[in-house]
Amino acid sequence: AAGVIQSPRHLIKEKRETATLKCYPIPRHDTVYWYQQGPGQDPQFLISFYEKMQSDKGSIPDRFSAQQFSDYHSELNMSSLELGDSALYFCASSLGEGASSYNSPLHFGNGTRLTVT
Amino acid sequence: RKEVEQDPGPFNVPEGATVAFNCTYSNSASQSFFWYRQDCRKEPKLLMSVYSSGNEDGRFTAQLNRASQYISLLIRDSKLSDSATYLCVVNTVFSGGYNKLIFGAGTRLAVHP
Repeated sequence: AAGVIQSPRHLIKEKRETATLKCYPIPRHDTVYWYQQGPGQDPQFLISFYEKMQSDKGSIPDRFSAQQFSDYHSELNMSSLELGDSALYFCASSLGEGASSYNSPLHFGNGTRLTVT
Repeated sequence: RKEVEQDPGPFNVPEGATVAFNCTYSNSASQSFFWYRQDCRKEPKLLMSVYSSGNEDGRFTAQLNRASQYISLLIRDSKLSDSATYLCVVNTVFSGGYNKLIFGAGTRLAVHP
């Protein structure tokens, strides 16, 4: 079965550079979530989209932005990178949003490992 | 207080042991609950959903106690391959209809020969 696809798998950037991470959800999934996981940390929610609109915002820095496109893929844009941005970035998708979908679990991509030097 | 709390462990158990993890959540409006497993440097993978009546999948049993606001995961006959971090995830539906999933910090399990 098709899974969530993230690209790139690994990314090395220097401080103050920009990075773009891409996420392709499972077909027919219309909700996308972005998480950041630092070493030894639990996944921290950054932002989510439902039907191409931002649905929730977590601890996403102002230097980051994201959007969901008409084909439901999403991109996380990161600017003015800092050393502390080095982490695993996971994208997850699920079906629908709202009370009717609360039993829909998340399905995660393999993640993008970002290293800022 | 964190919205979802887990004992970080690590739980070091021998093969064949039975081990139980608990997870407490603070929002009584939380609607659904999941256990995820995460191997080192890999993405979290859904282990099982947790249903109100409790549910079992092979050696894994999940329980929900809404009154006390906790969920549990029991692993019987532990295998070496069960060594991982187990993440408790709680889904809450807010007014306006959007739902939010909150992760616990995870409980590390190490099964040794």
